[in-house]
Amino acid sequence: SQTIHQWPATLVQPVGSPLSLECTVEGTSNPNLYWYRQAAGRGLQLLFYSVGIGQISSEVPQNLSASRPQDRQFILSSKKLLLSDSGFYLCAWGAAARGEQFFGPGTRLTVL
Amino acid sequence: SQELEQSPQSLIVQEGKNLTINCTSSKTLYGLYWYKQKYGEGLIFLMMLQKGGEEKSHEKITAKLDEKKQQSSLHITASQPSHAGIYLCGADINGNNRLAFGKGNQVVVIP
Repeated sequence: SQTIHQWPATLVQPVGSPLSLECTVEGTSNPNLYWYRQAAGRGLQLLFYSVGIGQISSEVPQNLSASRPQDRQFILSSKKLLLSDSGFYLCAWGAAARGEQFFGPGTRLTVL
Repeated sequence: SQELEQSPQSLIVQEGKNLTINCTSSKTLYGLYWYKQKYGEGLIFLMMLQKGGEEKSHEKITAKLDEKKQQSSLHITASQPSHAGIYLCGADINGNNRLAFGKGNQVVVIP
């Protein structure tokens, strides 16, 4: 069966510090991978998606970047965090031929 | 603008009562997905609907997609405290496997 992991579970970072959130998927090959941010009152916003190694598409301009160094690894990064980067970050995977996505447990990021 | 509208925003029901929540789009959807989320946790996939008029059930939860594929409802029969949480609908609006989400329906079940 497939599983998806995210770490860390929670993170408190000062403004201006770097960020690296990691997501890994087990039990499937060549998944589509997604990063979402969930902010209070704003719903779930798609940030990045990837259909393969090294292939990243950004949905919205922002202070964040994503990378996919391996087939089942997806990383969300920032060089300098802003207060507005606070939120709940969710990684998801989906099979290329199907629409449903399966979500990880999330990372709660607080930027102070 | 919000592409998916969910209503009601929040709902409080007595245990054992039925409830219905809705998800509406102004565009025809390629696929409609229902998820459940407990606060601070990831989303749990519930059901996928793709065909107009489609209806699916799992345990006490039934989801329907209208014939025009623009509106979906989620119905819970004889609600239990375990049904409490935030229900999110996601939809493939452009046929590219990228989902847009509503803001969620918060469901509270009072014992």
